[in-house]
Amino acid sequence: NAGVTQTPKFQVLKTGQSMTLQCAQDMNHNSMYWYRQDPGMGLRLIYYSASEGTTDKGEVPNGYNVSRLNKREFSLRLESAAPSQTSVYFCASSALTDTGELFFGEGSRLTVL
Amino acid sequence: GENVEQHPSTLSVQEGDSAVIKCTYSDSASNYFPWYKQELGKRPQLIIDIRSNVGEKKDQRIAVTLNKTAKHFSLHITETQPEDSAVYFCAASVTSGSARQLTFGSGTQLTVLP
Repeated sequence: NAGVTQTPKFQVLKTGQSMTLQCAQDMNHNSMYWYRQDPGMGLRLIYYSASEGTTDKGEVPNGYNVSRLNKREFSLRLESAAPSQTSVYFCASSALTDTGELFFGEGSRLTVL
Repeated sequence: GENVEQHPSTLSVQEGDSAVIKCTYSDSASNYFPWYKQELGKRPQLIIDIRSNVGEKKDQRIAVTLNKTAKHFSLHITETQPEDSAVYFCAASVTSGSARQLTFGSGTQLTVLP
């Protein structure tokens, strides 16, 4: 099993450009998440999807949109990138269990110039 | 929403010594408290977790304690080794619908000095 796979691993954008981060999991998990990681601020939840067909805002949703394409895939879109969106983005998934352990992808480093 | 504070932000210990990282949370409804370890350039990975109906949990050299009344929980690493050097994140969560929303602390950079 590959676990959680996200692409691309690195991306440089100019202010105002758009892009989509792709995420797929092969663990048959119901819930999927997008986090951003900034120095000194830990991991902050952008959006999550409790199950196929549902999405909800997290702590920092402004400037982002998401699509839960099917049970396996959850994409994050930046419509008009801003320098404040320079960050490392992690996709994660979890099963519908009591523990809720998150399995993370390898991360995508995005730089907005 | 939930707010998790984590201290210290950096911690250096000599190999073989113990390390303690502390977190506080604000939402009394939170009932699940995991700890994640992130090595440099890697993804975060769960190392231990505790539920609100348990006061302490151990797994070899690591242990976590929870004080629900005071709303704080701690990670204890004994007999530290160089491979314990990493960033450690605490988190707290409440189940929302069918998904757990984890709120993370800001992280602790642990350095184990040989």
